[in-house]
Amino acid sequence: AQSVTQLGSHVSVSEGALVLLRCNYSSSVPPYLFWYVQYPNQGLQLLLKYTTGATLVKGINGFEAEFKKSETSFHLTKPSAHMSDAAEYFCAVEGGSQGNLIFGKGTKLSVKP
Amino acid sequence: KAGVTQTPRYLIKTRGQQVTLSCSPISGHRSVSWYQQTPGQGLQFLFEYFSETQRNKGNFPGRFSGRQFSNSRSEMNVSTLELGDSALYLCASSLTGLAGDSTDTQYFGPGTRLTVL
Repeated sequence: AQSVTQLGSHVSVSEGALVLLRCNYSSSVPPYLFWYVQYPNQGLQLLLKYTTGATLVKGINGFEAEFKKSETSFHLTKPSAHMSDAAEYFCAVEGGSQGNLIFGKGTKLSVKP
Repeated sequence: KAGVTQTPRYLIKTRGQQVTLSCSPISGHRSVSWYQQTPGQGLQFLFEYFSETQRNKGNFPGRFSGRQFSNSRSEMNVSTLELGDSALYLCASSLTGLAGDSTDTQYFGPGTRLTVL
């Protein structure tokens, strides 16, 4: 069965610093992987997704993620944090059945001025 | 293209009542999935509808039900509300419901925040 683990429920960085949010997955089939962001009192917005092909995936707002099969990881990075990046980030894997995404517990990102 | 819309945005109910939430998918999307989000359990899959048929269901009691109309709009219903049903309910739409379709993606609505007193 598919599952997702996000290391660190809270991450705090300074503005301009590197953002690294960790995600490890478990999947019995080649995974489709997603990162979503949730701002307070809002729904989920897709940042990026990996299905097949290039393992480095670029998303919106300067984020990117690298699929590493050997490490079963899909970490999210951004070279320079901005105050507007403060939000909760969710990693997800397609659950192998219709309409089902399996989410990690989320990582809340704080950005200090 | 308009995004996924959900109504109402906020609801307050009391224990024992029932509630109906509505979701309008992105135009052309035929799959609608519902998720429950709570601080303790995180995001959990409720069920998925495609062409008016429930194709998939998560591990929730029968008090949680849904349906989909011919225009792909979907409703979910929770009967005999319990305090633990307080949550943000998110609806997501996609073309086919993922399931191995690498071109497909789920897009989420803003959610309905349900508070049960």
